[in-house]
Amino acid sequence: QKEVEQDPGPLSVPEGAIVSLNCTYSNSAFQYFMWYRQYSRKGPELLMYTYSSGNKEDGRFTAQVDKSSKYISLFIRDSQPSDSATYLCAMSWGAQKLVFGQGTRLTINP
Amino acid sequence: EAGVVQSPRYKIIEKKQPVAFWCNPISGHNTLYWYRQNLGQGPELLIRYENEEAVDDSQLPKDRFSAERLKGVDSTLKIQPAELGDSAVYLCASSLEGSRAGTEAFFGQGTRLTVV
Repeated sequence: QKEVEQDPGPLSVPEGAIVSLNCTYSNSAFQYFMWYRQYSRKGPELLMYTYSSGNKEDGRFTAQVDKSSKYISLFIRDSQPSDSATYLCAMSWGAQKLVFGQGTRLTINP
Repeated sequence: EAGVVQSPRYKIIEKKQPVAFWCNPISGHNTLYWYRQNLGQGPELLIRYENEEAVDDSQLPKDRFSAERLKGVDSTLKIQPAELGDSAVYLCASSLEGSRAGTEAFFGQGTRLTVV
């Protein structure tokens, strides 16, 4: 079993829809939870990170962490075609080492 | 400010040949990472440097992979000899020393290696 599991999709939704992306994990030591966005043939770029449990909002993006369920989510409101990319969750326990999920390929259709 | 710079962007080599990748991190970033990303997968850490010291190389296949970071700035990752299974994107990332568990790591665009 992988430490971090992420549904690879692909996920295709119409413009303006609310998108929900999720990851589960098995290592209870994880304390930092991150979401990266990766456009085709580009490196990952950090979208948001959360420490421990709770919610964090940044514009149209909301990250949620539920440590009791070992489950994290990223919500995208009013999705735009420019949001089309692969979204990677990543986690860390303070050892400066990120453990990534498989990535979910998202397409927003105009 | 320039981001993490990697070269080359693309490399095609025959199996058993050597190959090297180069990375220039963001100025002032003491921590440097090399990740490998297979098609349809998330990146996996190969090696992490704090300045010029490799502090985590547990996932580096040392029989064929080597890395160095001279003077604690630029870094080179080498594969010799390359195998078909080494085809992947090799990503370099950097962060400030002591940044929260690597949460503020910035990635380069990667080098896409194809071994034929």
